[in-house]
Amino acid sequence: ETGVTQSPTHLIKTRGQQVTLRCSSQSGHNTVSWYQQALGQGPQFIFQYYREEENGRGNFPPRFSGLQFPNYSSELNVNALELDDSALYLCASSFQGDKGNGYTFGSGTRLTVV
Amino acid sequence: GNSVTQMEGPVTLSEEAFLTINCTYTATGYPSLFWYVQYPGEGLQLLLKATKADDKGSNKGFEATYRKETTSFHLEKGSVQVSDSAVYFCALTGSQGNLIFGKGTKLSVKP
Repeated sequence: ETGVTQSPTHLIKTRGQQVTLRCSSQSGHNTVSWYQQALGQGPQFIFQYYREEENGRGNFPPRFSGLQFPNYSSELNVNALELDDSALYLCASSFQGDKGNGYTFGSGTRLTVV
Repeated sequence: GNSVTQMEGPVTLSEEAFLTINCTYTATGYPSLFWYVQYPGEGLQLLLKATKADDKGSNKGFEATYRKETTSFHLEKGSVQVSDSAVYFCALTGSQGNLIFGKGTKLSVKP
């Protein structure tokens, strides 16, 4: 089975720009979550998508938005980038209703905002 | 809300030493508990999990027991190797089905 793949692996953007990060979920998984991991910190939950709708959100402003597609892949969009948005962005997939099995994470996208 | 507190690092051990990384949690209900590991430059890998009280998760020589009475899920390994050097995260499920992580503990194992 294929794992979770994210693209791009690294990205440099300028403050105020917009960015789109992409994620393909693991085969058989129907839920995608996004996490932000600042340097030296644990990942923080951004939001989660199931059946193409957001069904959970952490403490992140509306300029963080997302999509889930019929094939369960997902995008994370961030508008009006700020320097503090520099972080590793992790995508995780799971099967709704089977949270006890945990989540499969991708290798992440390292975003640097200058 | 649910939260996790894990011991701060870094932790430096010699090869074959015994490892304990403490993790305690605060939660309503009965969350599942996890340990994830992150190797340098990589994403997170699930190391082990436990879904109910007194469950013991184990993998690659690592173990952790879901202790409801002490709200703990400490990670242990009897004999660490250099290849175990990584950052370890304790996590539990939140009310939205998300994961809530601790801040991570960096482990360095010296030969």
